[in-house]
Amino acid sequence: NAGVTQTPKFQVLKTGQSMTLQCAQDMNHNSMYWYRQDPGMGLRLIYYSASEGTTDKGEVPNGYNVSRLNKREFSLRLESAAPSQTSVYFCASTGASKVYGYTFGSGTRLTVV
Amino acid sequence: SQELEQSPQSLIVQEGKNLTINCTSSKTLYGLYWYKQKYGEGLIFLMMLQKGGEEKSHEKITAKLDEKKQQSSLHITASQPSHAGIYLCGAGPANAGGTSYGKLTFGQGTILTVHP
Repeated sequence: NAGVTQTPKFQVLKTGQSMTLQCAQDMNHNSMYWYRQDPGMGLRLIYYSASEGTTDKGEVPNGYNVSRLNKREFSLRLESAAPSQTSVYFCASTGASKVYGYTFGSGTRLTVV
Repeated sequence: SQELEQSPQSLIVQEGKNLTINCTSSKTLYGLYWYKQKYGEGLIFLMMLQKGGEEKSHEKITAKLDEKKQQSSLHITASQPSHAGIYLCGAGPANAGGTSYGKLTFGQGTILTVHP
């Protein structure tokens, strides 16, 4: 099925470990986004990529890096995980029309111990 | 930056009851989006509103944007257990031009529980 695919779905890290969250979309969308969701705080934008080859910081970028590998793929890297990064991470993409909103992946539930 | 405040934060209703969720913005809304999220899953797009006074419906869910474009409401008629989940409103930036709307800012979400 067409959409946004995130891997892994679950991950447990120890403080200081690194990992990369993968995201791929097959809808030929130009823009891709990484959000984190914490209880009572809604979704907060970490980084986004308006088009292939560009990336920009969002509201909460500290502790993260991103790579827009190609038009399909947008990865999020935690270089040295901290307990404060325990969260649910969502990748999303949008196409040319704003009528249909974002398409979201199913999320990665990350726990840092 | 634009802030969105949703109310109530949580809502428990009996099946068959009507309910309303509100989303209030600190600034004029240029594109207001409603999403639904089931536990452990991603967000599903419900509706998008742009014009002051606009109203859209999908099945038993109706969303409205007020004339001043600073508040939106989501109304569910005759709620069912399938309506349970988290409802989030999202707003596009004022400088979004043409058909693209850039990054969204989200409210904190409203948790809806529907008892059978």
